[in-house]
Amino acid sequence: NAGVTQTPKFRILKIGQSMTLQCAQDMNHNYMYWYRQDPGMGLKLIYYSVGAGITDKGEVPNGYNVSRSTTEDFPLRLELAAPSQTSVYFCASGGRENTEAFFGQGTRLTVV
Amino acid sequence: GENVEQHPSTLSVQEGDSAVIKCTYSDSASNYFPWYKQELGKRPQLIIDIRSNVGEKKDQRIAVTLNKTAKHFSLHITETQPEDSAVYFCAASIRASGGSYIPTFGRGTSLIVHP
Repeated sequence: NAGVTQTPKFRILKIGQSMTLQCAQDMNHNYMYWYRQDPGMGLKLIYYSVGAGITDKGEVPNGYNVSRSTTEDFPLRLELAAPSQTSVYFCASGGRENTEAFFGQGTRLTVV
Repeated sequence: GENVEQHPSTLSVQEGDSAVIKCTYSDSASNYFPWYKQELGKRPQLIIDIRSNVGEKKDQRIAVTLNKTAKHFSLHITETQPEDSAVYFCAASIRASGGSYIPTFGRGTSLIVHP
């Protein structure tokens, strides 16, 4: 099992550009999450999904969108990149509620 | 206030000393409390977790305690070693807007173990 795989690992975007961060898991997990990590701020939840076709906003959803058309994939879309979106993004998955979250290796995004 | 608060933000100890990190949470219905370790440039990984029906759990040099009445839990690392140096995150399952209980993280503690 590869676990949770994120692509790309690094990306530099110009202000106003768009991109999609990819996340895939091969553990048949229902729960998937997107977090952003900023220095000294911990992990902030952007969006989450409890199964295919179901997504919900987290604590910091503005400027992002997600979709969950399959159990395996949970892409995160940035439509109009802003410098405030410079961060490290982690995708994670869990088998069910109140269990361990397995993280991807992260995507370091810089918006200039 | 924040749903999960974590202290201290930085902890510096000598090799062999003990380290304690403390967290509080807001949702009295929370029942799952994991701890994650994140080494520099790596992903967070689970090191220990505790559920609300247990007051303490140990795994070799690490232990976690939970006080549900006071809504706080702590991580204890004994006989610290340089390889314990990392950022440690506590988390609690907090009810999100959609009704599900989702891992909500503290801000992290940077533990530095000096040889």
